[in-house]
Amino acid sequence: EVHLLESGGGLVQPGGPLRLSCAASGLTLSNNGMSWVRQAPGKGLEWVSDIVGSGATYYADSVKGRFTISRDNSKNTLYLQMNSLRADDTAVYYCVGHGGSSTWGQGTLVTVSS
Amino acid sequence: QTVVTQEPSLTVSPGGTVTLTCDSSTGAVTSGNYPYWLQQKPGQAPRTLIYDTNARHPWTPARFSGSLLGGKPALTLSGARPEDEADYYCLFTYDGARVFGGGTKLTVL
Repeated sequence: EVHLLESGGGLVQPGGPLRLSCAASGLTLSNNGMSWVRQAPGKGLEWVSDIVGSGATYYADSVKGRFTISRDNSKNTLYLQMNSLRADDTAVYYCVGHGGSSTWGQGTLVTVSS
Repeated sequence: QTVVTQEPSLTVSPGGTVTLTCDSSTGAVTSGNYPYWLQQKPGQAPRTLIYDTNARHPWTPARFSGSLLGGKPALTLSGARPEDEADYYCLFTYDGARVFGGGTKLTVL
């Protein structure tokens, strides 16, 4: 059974950095594509970033140049490094696998506010 | 920028059938865009019902099915139950990016 656990959310000031983690069990990240998806309060889902098995990365225009997705295969953990955070980055951030591994974590809340 | 439109809201009677669709501003969606359908209930994380157009997860009830209708991803619910009341989102991949629809609020009444 695939299980994903996000962590690292919290309150951060505008312009500040934050790193999210997603610990995976039941699947091997190096063999599976993974996404970060966010949901602002009361809003719909928004794709943020992908990393695929080869290690290639993709980003939404809204976060390109500010966010970096990565993974540590030895820890089987996915990361999202977020820099230059803005108020409109406030959301619950979810990690989710691709295809037959498309299980969702419970999410971690990021609040960007002074 | 790709815009994906879903029916904002739909109502289905218990036991009835309803089809949700996903319309892309880029034109026809194919299986090569790997369409997904997600369900989200209030206060819960989303869960994937359908991936790769029509593949179900073990937890996906058989009453949900995915397809392509006229170049649009579609989710059909046959035999609606009260617990199917939720928000439903489509998702697909286009040109290296993933795009979500705005969601459909499904009421079972």
